[in-house]
Amino acid sequence: GAGVSQSPSNKVTEKGKDVELRCDPISGHTALYWYRQSLGQGLEFLIYFQGNSAPDKSGLPSDRFSAERTGGSVSTLTIQRTQQEDSAVYLCASSQQGGGQETQYFGPGTRLLVL
Amino acid sequence: DAKTTQPPSMDCAEGRAANLPCNHSTISGNEYVYWYRQIHSQGPQYIIHGLKNNETNEMASLIITEDRKSSTLILPHATLRDTAVYYCIVRASGAGSYQLTFGKGTKLSVIP
Repeated sequence: GAGVSQSPSNKVTEKGKDVELRCDPISGHTALYWYRQSLGQGLEFLIYFQGNSAPDKSGLPSDRFSAERTGGSVSTLTIQRTQQEDSAVYLCASSQQGGGQETQYFGPGTRLLVL
Repeated sequence: DAKTTQPPSMDCAEGRAANLPCNHSTISGNEYVYWYRQIHSQGPQYIIHGLKNNETNEMASLIITEDRKSSTLILPHATLRDTAVYYCIVRASGAGSYQLTFGKGTKLSVIP
């Protein structure tokens, strides 16, 4: 079956512009996660959606970052007024129901470069 | 807070078994051992996980020591496509433990 898909695969933008990154989770998965991975760095949690519950936004680095999930499926991560330090690979993952022991399946990521 | 320790790099000859060690001496009773890998320019890929028994799936085997303080991921017949960074992590089973954290992992190079 289809895995997690993300678009665009690569995005180059100018400092100060807004960007939108999209994630399509595995069909039927109710939990969705956003992470980012900077060059040579580990994985940084950003936000977690589970069903109709309020999302866990504790990992969002600033108020320039926001995310929504429409209809319990597709999610969009928006970065406003991008900065050079936002350059990273943004990864989306999904799992069946969410929670501690669920296996998370990752998409290929969106490589964001802010010039 | 590094809960796992892995060697930074390893080489393995193509066709041979790759044995990747991981130390997790402070693991708690409700924490599982998970392995992911990340091939260059791709997203992390789930490999296998276990609590205390050895596990095997189509990708790999996971051997966990009896005291659970270390484990070994075994790729039985490594191929060039197995070249990747392999991450060993421990995860609790409680609510709020969904935030995955990867350390630096082991960069496995499979050599022809």
